[in-house]
Amino acid sequence: AQKITQTQPGMFVQEKEAVTLDCTYDTSDPSYGLFWYKQPSSGEMIFLIYQGSYDQQNATEGRYSLNFQKARKSANLVISASQLGDSAMYFCAMNMKTSYDKVIFGPGTSLSVIP
Amino acid sequence: DTEVTQTPKHLVMGMTNKKSLKCEQHMGHRAMYWYKQKAKKPPELMFVYSYEKLSINESVPSRFSPECPNSSLLNLHLHALQPEDSALYLCASSQALMRERSPLHFGNGTRLTVT
Repeated sequence: AQKITQTQPGMFVQEKEAVTLDCTYDTSDPSYGLFWYKQPSSGEMIFLIYQGSYDQQNATEGRYSLNFQKARKSANLVISASQLGDSAMYFCAMNMKTSYDKVIFGPGTSLSVIP
Repeated sequence: DTEVTQTPKHLVMGMTNKKSLKCEQHMGHRAMYWYKQKAKKPPELMFVYSYEKLSINESVPSRFSPECPNSSLLNLHLHALQPEDSALYLCASSQALMRERSPLHFGNGTRLTVT
């Protein structure tokens, strides 16, 4: 069965520094997609970045980049130049070709940005 | 501003009440989802509608009844809930085509308390 692991329940980072949030996944499906979402304390889930299993290059979106290591089954999120507004829960999520509708989420990492 | 609108934002109901959660999107998305999220936990998939047809029911108790009246609307009818059903209920939508690459667009959620 598919599974996502985020081993860092909580992280702290100094403002303007970069931070890496870890995500490892387990699936036997050769075709899958990986997503990162941000959830501030207000509750809304915000899509950040996507990486497809067959994408040749690591995804980037502004200050967000994804360090995709397929052989290690890891998809770490890198946030550059952290801002106070980056303080939130971050969830790694995955879907698979067997059921692209069935998006599963990892347990999440709580990020706190320190001024 | 979110493009997926959920009402109400907060709901308190007794165990014998009947209430409904509503979700609306005007992005032309043909896949719509209900997720349940407990505090400090990841969202858990409940139901998926694809082209207005129920495609996934994650063994949700019958006291939760989804309805998709048209491509823009999604309802969740609640009846005889238990206190443990208290949670944040998130609605999401995504494109039906290229679904493997399509992120979920979430509403702000309905915070439900069952007394």
